[in-house]
Amino acid sequence: AQRVTQPEKLLSVFKGAPVELKCNYSYSGSPELFWYVQYSRQRLQLLLRHISRESIKGFTADLNKGETSFHLKKPFAQEEDSAMYYCALRGTGFQKLVFGTGTRLLVSP
Amino acid sequence: DAGVIQSPRHEVTEMGQEVTLRCKPISGHNSLFWYRQTMMRGLELLIYFNNNVPIDDSGMPEDRFSAKMPNASFSTLKIQPSEPRDSAVYFCASSRPATNEKLFFGSGTQLSVL
Repeated sequence: AQRVTQPEKLLSVFKGAPVELKCNYSYSGSPELFWYVQYSRQRLQLLLRHISRESIKGFTADLNKGETSFHLKKPFAQEEDSAMYYCALRGTGFQKLVFGTGTRLLVSP
Repeated sequence: DAGVIQSPRHEVTEMGQEVTLRCKPISGHNSLFWYRQTMMRGLELLIYFNNNVPIDDSGMPEDRFSAKMPNASFSTLKIQPSEPRDSAVYFCASSRPATNEKLFFGSGTQLSVL
């Protein structure tokens, strides 16, 4: 079974502080991991995916198979990063995309 | 492209009434997903279709929920009879045919069952 755990419902930091949104998963095969973001009054959208190894808006995420984690990190948070962040997993082949419960990031000035 | 289109944006109804949510996926996308978003459970996958065929409906809460996709450009999610605990935001999403394609989400339908 696929399962995604985001232990923090709310993460509050000051502008310029480092940010790490935690994501752990449970899956027996080789997963595909994603981070989706929902800004206020906007649609849920893809932020980044692990296979791309990309940095989007200063965010990075590394898949750690040993720890079954895919934490989202940014060295210096900005106010515009305030949003709801969802970690998601897709199993091998075409299978459903399962989301975690989400973490609300609040960046204060 | 207008993206994934959902209607209505807001629905307020009384307990026991039938509710129908509608979704138009992006043209050319052959996978369609229905999700429910609540504070407690986050985003839950209810059902998804591939080429108009339901692939996995294990997330559908109970028999009161049903979903159809009569053609590639239209899907409905029906709740009958509705209950207050069904109050949530319901999202539809679509993607192109490939295992690693990202999902494009609609704006959601905010459902309130009184």
